[in-house]
Amino acid sequence: DAGITQSPRHKVTETGTPVTLRCHQTENHRYMYWYRQDPGHGLRLIHYSYGVKDTDKGEVSDGYSVSRSKTEDFLLTLESATSSQTSVYFCAISDLGQVSSYEQYFGPGTRLTVT
Amino acid sequence: QKEVEQNSGPLSVPEGAIASLNCTYSDRVSQSFFWYRQYSGKSPELIMSIYSNGDKEDGRFTAQLNKASQYVSLLIRDSQPSDSATYLCAVNYGTGNQFYFGTGTSLTVIP
Repeated sequence: DAGITQSPRHKVTETGTPVTLRCHQTENHRYMYWYRQDPGHGLRLIHYSYGVKDTDKGEVSDGYSVSRSKTEDFLLTLESATSSQTSVYFCAISDLGQVSSYEQYFGPGTRLTVT
Repeated sequence: QKEVEQNSGPLSVPEGAIASLNCTYSDRVSQSFFWYRQYSGKSPELIMSIYSNGDKEDGRFTAQLNKASQYVSLLIRDSQPSDSATYLCAVNYGTGNQFYFGTGTSLTVIP
């Protein structure tokens, strides 16, 4: 298994509170991603990073911010959580492989409930 | 808009049968194609990658790619109840930031 951990694995928080999710990798992969997965919507990209301090928005970035101060860590912050951000959040990593193609591997996920 | 389409299912097959999962994509620039298996409550697990036209076999799994028809499929031979999961198709356009996922096909293998 790719060396990806996420913390916390489960969290319940109240509307309006800030929340930070952490993704940690031991693979030294260049790219890191945050997705959310909801029934009927599949995986949707929130933000991604292509290097330390280099990040960009995905398709559902409103209400989320990210930071990457070290290659191995990628943080996702919900500045003021809302009930619509109740979801399962997956971190993923990627880099060029032996066949000059990017392959993406996922962490175990964080189940977030905003009450 | 780059799209990846899958039949959401559910697809049910008897144990020992061949399960066939299909995926179409909208952009001819697509370079790499992937199948992920996701058990309920778990994260997606990469099970097959395919980069060129034709078939690629790995154990009971065969991925088939037809770039002219913009079609990629996954065949699971001798299906087992443990294969029951949602299968996600993904496409990469040659850069690290361009992955696109289908919404998945739910497969149930009936003992």
